[in-house]
Amino acid sequence: ELKVEQNPLFLSMQEGKNYTIYCNYSTTSDRLYWYRQDPGKSLESLFVLLSNGAVKQEGRLMASLDTKARLSTLHITAAVHDLSATYFCAVENKLIFGTGTRLQVFP
Amino acid sequence: NAGVTQTPKFQVLKTGQSMTLQCAQDMNHEYMSWYRQDPGMGLRLIHYSVGAGITDQGEVPNGYNVSRSTTEDFPLRLLSAAPSQTSVYFCASSRNLAGLHANSPLHFGNGTRLTVT
Repeated sequence: ELKVEQNPLFLSMQEGKNYTIYCNYSTTSDRLYWYRQDPGKSLESLFVLLSNGAVKQEGRLMASLDTKARLSTLHITAAVHDLSATYFCAVENKLIFGTGTRLQVFP
Repeated sequence: NAGVTQTPKFQVLKTGQSMTLQCAQDMNHEYMSWYRQDPGMGLRLIHYSVGAGITDQGEVPNGYNVSRSTTEDFPLRLLSAAPSQTSVYFCASSRNLAGLHANSPLHFGNGTRLTVT
């Protein structure tokens, strides 16, 4: 059974700081997705990582994938309040989601 | 472009009642799926379909039925509602999850908030 674990589950960080969210999964997969969800809203696709070593960046967010370690990271650089949301990773194989990381950025 | 449309947005049911959550997409996507989202548990896959006439179970299929008679529609049926089915339900679609369209992420609907009393 595929398991997808994210940590931390909750992250409170100050504006301007850097941090990394981790996504570990239990079975082989070449594809991983990151989504963002604002409170009370639907999910929005952030990144699609298709192969080992893939790295994608959009603004202050950068995602990477290490399929050998079964690990993806979402790095936040110089956080701003607008990044406050819940972030989910999802692994292919029917797209199983992690439990999410709720990020709060404060001044 | 409507994308993925879910109806209703809110629903309250009594225990034992049945109902159907509607999901339609206008992007000619082959893959469609249903998730439920509960606090602290992320999204859990209920059922999915890789094309018209083909459905399969996800992580938490019990108490739910689906069918896929057309490419556009993927309704989710609650046979006999229980309080444990109180949740937010999301429908999602994608061109495909493998092969030529591997780069296609899931497109989500706006969700249906269901309360079972």
